[in-house]
Amino acid sequence: DADVTQTPRNRITKTGKRIMLECSQTKGHDRMYWYRQDPGLGLRLIYYSFDVKDINKGEISDGYSVSRQAQAKFSLSLESAIPNQTALYFCATGEKGRQETQYFGPGTRLLVL
Amino acid sequence: QQQVKQSPQSLIVQKGGISIINCAYENTAFDYFPWYQQFPGKGPALLIAIRPDVSEKKEGRFTISFNKSAKQFSLHIMDSQPGDSATYFCAASIFGNTGKLIFGQGTTLQVKP
Repeated sequence: DADVTQTPRNRITKTGKRIMLECSQTKGHDRMYWYRQDPGLGLRLIYYSFDVKDINKGEISDGYSVSRQAQAKFSLSLESAIPNQTALYFCATGEKGRQETQYFGPGTRLLVL
Repeated sequence: QQQVKQSPQSLIVQKGGISIINCAYENTAFDYFPWYQQFPGKGPALLIAIRPDVSEKKEGRFTISFNKSAKQFSLHIMDSQPGDSATYFCAASIFGNTGKLIFGQGTTLQVKP
């Protein structure tokens, strides 16, 4: 079984819709991260969390929100999706003291029409 | 503003050749420089990393060369194989801090048989 799972793997939605991307991990890591990947831009950090009560904005948090429901679960929401949020989204985990080594999920490909 | 600049965007190498990918950074506070490898349909995975107290690190066919004064680092893949065909991302962070990684734009490598 995969250590970091993301659901859904693919999603098509319309402008203005609210959607949630979910991430679960069985690695027991306390750090969790959400990134988006765009061609020619690499991966950019959206939000990161050190534990359930510690959530921080990344480089590009506008238009996104997150929820850390448990140590193992970290969800990303787009309150009102827009076309330029079309991207590949990755969740990652990191271990306290070794958080520079991050373990990525398989990604969610999101298309906003 | 891209804090980590990566080149080339794409690279084609013959089997057995040397693949070289370059990155440059701006923030002199960065002190951890990993490379991630991403296969199609998968999330990135840590390949190799270096800290600036050494100028080179080698793991098998993969070598990182680091030039602190020039604020540049590069990945060399010796004896490149078709199985090395993937997208490679360099990244930088401040070690022991939040684990926030700043990624380069990515390089798509194709190794021809």
